[in-house]
Amino acid sequence: NAGVTQTPKFQVLKTGQSMTLQCAQDMNHNSMYWYRQDPGMGLRLIYYSASEGTTDKGEVPNGYNVSRLNKREFSLRLESAAPSQTSVYFCASSRSSLTPNYGYTFGSGTRLTVV
Amino acid sequence: AQTVTQSQPEMSVQEAETVTLSCTYDTSESDYYLFWYKQPPSRQMILVIRQEAYKQQNATENRFSVNFQKAAKSFSLKISDSQLGDAAMYFCAYRSDGATNKLIFGTGTLLAVQP
Repeated sequence: NAGVTQTPKFQVLKTGQSMTLQCAQDMNHNSMYWYRQDPGMGLRLIYYSASEGTTDKGEVPNGYNVSRLNKREFSLRLESAAPSQTSVYFCASSRSSLTPNYGYTFGSGTRLTVV
Repeated sequence: AQTVTQSQPEMSVQEAETVTLSCTYDTSESDYYLFWYKQPPSRQMILVIRQEAYKQQNATENRFSVNFQKAAKSFSLKISDSQLGDAAMYFCAYRSDGATNKLIFGTGTLLAVQP
């Protein structure tokens, strides 16, 4: 049981380059999320998908786009990377918004550096 | 909007001793869920313990227990018999019971365990 799988684990980009972070879960969860983690700021929500076919902005969506490809996969795209997007990115999933007591299952994170 | 505050950026404890990590939150809701996540150097986010706001009894998981004070909006984590493997960043998190219940994190407390 893999849980939540993120790729890649590390990435270095040049300013202005684009890339897509991939996330897949095999737990049949309905809801998926993208967070970024920065020192002293905890985890901040970028985008989320409450269910297949829906996506919504979180706290810090500027500079990002997402796609809920199917129930399993939720990708995060940086169209034109900026140094301010240097961060660790986490994908997470949860059963649904109807079961908030179960918390989230997280992927192992992607460390992204934009130079 | 809900907020979560962890006022201790760093803490230290001797092996086998007890340590308490603090967390306060702000909300106008009556039904919600609180979590503590552990993030070791591996970066993986691990759920430590959860508390339902409607339950008066404090949650316990082996050496980990919480002191949940709903009126004071306080949710502290106590680690008993601390072990070297407990060294990690600990995040307090809040999740509402509403339709758009996203996990909101505090800024984290870095716990060092001294041998």
